[in-house]
Amino acid sequence: AQTVTQSQPEMSVQEAETVTLSCTYDTSESDYYLFWYKQPPSRQMILVIRQEAYKQQNATENRFSVNFQKAAKSFSLKISDSQLGDAAMYFCAYRSAVYSGGGADGLTFGKGTHLIIQP
Amino acid sequence: GAGVSQSPRYKVAKRGQDVALRCDPISGHVSLFWYQQALGQGPEFLTYFQNEAQLDKSGLPSDRFFAERPEGSVSTLKIQRTQQEDSAVYLCASSFLTGGPTGELFFGEGSRLTVL
Repeated sequence: AQTVTQSQPEMSVQEAETVTLSCTYDTSESDYYLFWYKQPPSRQMILVIRQEAYKQQNATENRFSVNFQKAAKSFSLKISDSQLGDAAMYFCAYRSAVYSGGGADGLTFGKGTHLIIQP
Repeated sequence: GAGVSQSPRYKVAKRGQDVALRCDPISGHVSLFWYQQALGQGPEFLTYFQNEAQLDKSGLPSDRFFAERPEGSVSTLKIQRTQQEDSAVYLCASSFLTGGPTGELFFGEGSRLTVL
């Protein structure tokens, strides 16, 4: 079974600064997806960024970028120019790209990192 | 609708009551997942449907939990004789089979259950 570990329960950053959230995962599969989801107090899980494991190039979405190290099984999220609206819980998640017809077709989440933005 | 819809958003139940939580997935999404999210934790898998077939219920914590998706669209998660430890947010997510080209799951806003 896959596991996802987020070792930072809480992170704090000054507005406009850059912050990096860590994520490591364990899998024996070679084909998979990795995601960062944002969950504000409204509880809606919002996709921030996605990475396909077969792609060597790190994904970027505006102020959000990842550092994907496949051999090290590491998938960190960098948020540049932090804004007050970035404050939320951030979850790293893994999804197999191989169909299994079960729960493994869904997401395995880390425990989350609570990001605080200091004005 | 355009997104995954869940109802009710909030439910307060007395211990021992039965509750039913509804999920209306994105039209055309074959896969539907239920997750349980305890306070301060990441979501944990409960059960998975492919159309109307419940292919995996390994995450259901007890036989008090029951889920169905009779017509392959709307799903209901039912909890019988609720206990305080059932208090959590219940998230529903849907996707194309295998997640399609992006692998993405689409989430509803969740139903927060509080058992007194």
